[in-house]
Amino acid sequence: LAKTTQPISMDSYEGQEVNITCSHNNIATNDYITWYQQFPSQGPRFIIQGYKTKVTNEVASLFIPADRKSSTLSLPRVSLSDTAVYYCLVVPSSNTGKLIFGQGTTLQVKP
Amino acid sequence: GAVVSQHPSWVICKSGTSVKIECRSLDFQATTMFWYRQFPKQSLMLMATSNEGSKATYEQGVEKDKFLINHASLTLSTLTVTSAHPEDSSFYICSARDLAGEVNEQFFGPGTRLTVL
Repeated sequence: LAKTTQPISMDSYEGQEVNITCSHNNIATNDYITWYQQFPSQGPRFIIQGYKTKVTNEVASLFIPADRKSSTLSLPRVSLSDTAVYYCLVVPSSNTGKLIFGQGTTLQVKP
Repeated sequence: GAVVSQHPSWVICKSGTSVKIECRSLDFQATTMFWYRQFPKQSLMLMATSNEGSKATYEQGVEKDKFLINHASLTLSTLTVTSAHPEDSSFYICSARDLAGEVNEQFFGPGTRLTVL
């Protein structure tokens, strides 16, 4: 499974757009990029997944350049409730579900 | 989205006792479930893969005789921490994959906080 590298922490203010970048230099052809969010004392929650270019849902956008060696999770207009740990994972499409979590990025949103 | 539940949400036990944690997929069937452990301020660490009807697959360094996993049905996996000690105190989280859902979309339980005195 490809290793991922993310910033350990980020600070932001309410209403701002937050972009969290993840490096995955060893991503394989059949790998997907998936992001999870985790609040304290809760299980992670799936945010978004993509393979290439751009994916958008009601929560976030995911930007993946052509070489797929990195990806950027974009959270529009964050609020205090977006304070959480965000994990970037690279997962093979054939994977049975086994996920290996990296250190994640702790996002602190300030008023 | 699919729902995974865990029971109990928290448990306190004495050193040397065993604790069972249940993980259920409420609205889908899961032939495979996963157990993670998370210490404070750390990431999730995969402990084992729970396979319905067969033995669990443990990650390197995880003692299979200490962390007993049973996956007796398509909606239930249990993790038993045997002879628990204070160093086993942690947040235990299970997950399952809905095969009918998005590729690799995992659903996680709310976690179980284990405190061993």
